[in-house]
Amino acid sequence: DSGVTQTPKHLITATGQRVTLRCSPRSGDLSVYWYQQSLDQGLQFLIQYYNGEERAKGNILERFSAQQFPDLHSELNLSSLELGDSALYFCASSVESEIGYEQYFGPGTRLTVT
Amino acid sequence: QKEVEQDPGPLSVPEGAIVSLNCTYSNSAFQYFMWYRQYSRKGPELLMYTYSSGNKEDGRFTAQVDKSSKYISLFIRDSQPSDSATYLCAMRNYQLIWGAGTKLIIKP
Repeated sequence: DSGVTQTPKHLITATGQRVTLRCSPRSGDLSVYWYQQSLDQGLQFLIQYYNGEERAKGNILERFSAQQFPDLHSELNLSSLELGDSALYFCASSVESEIGYEQYFGPGTRLTVT
Repeated sequence: QKEVEQDPGPLSVPEGAIVSLNCTYSNSAFQYFMWYRQYSRKGPELLMYTYSSGNKEDGRFTAQVDKSSKYISLFIRDSQPSDSATYLCAMRNYQLIWGAGTKLIIKP
């Protein structure tokens, strides 16, 4: 158990809808990262937050947004969902403000868009 | 061309064999080199990391970095069925770049 929790485990929704994924980092970790993993694209870095502030941005679509709250949990919002957004979404956390090489991953949220 | 190239496999070997997993990269600025292991339906977990060049050993696992060839390897000795997983390499300069992952199957 990494200490990172993610909810929900599974999510099935229709195209055009909006969903929110939630992540709680390991105790003491200030950085939260979001990743998308699909069969054809591998693990894609989306965005990093450190202590409530956006720190680094990867291949995140404009339809996606994230935030980190004062209690350090984070939410990833996906809107106007398309079939191609179906994937595993992982949250990870680390201590560092710079992109940490030692990241602790949660169990993931499996999103299915129908 | 991707910054980090990794053969997705699958790589299937018999139990007890020595496994060699590899990644190549193009960016000479990478300084940290990591190997993560991901079991099916789980999040990746850090297996080993190496700073700059050289070897690092941890039990049955050895990570090797050759910066002159821009090539990193992970060796697994006395492989076990429990080693069956996807192995992802990752490299860092100011951001973390991930390989596609190699699916490893150890046959009993």
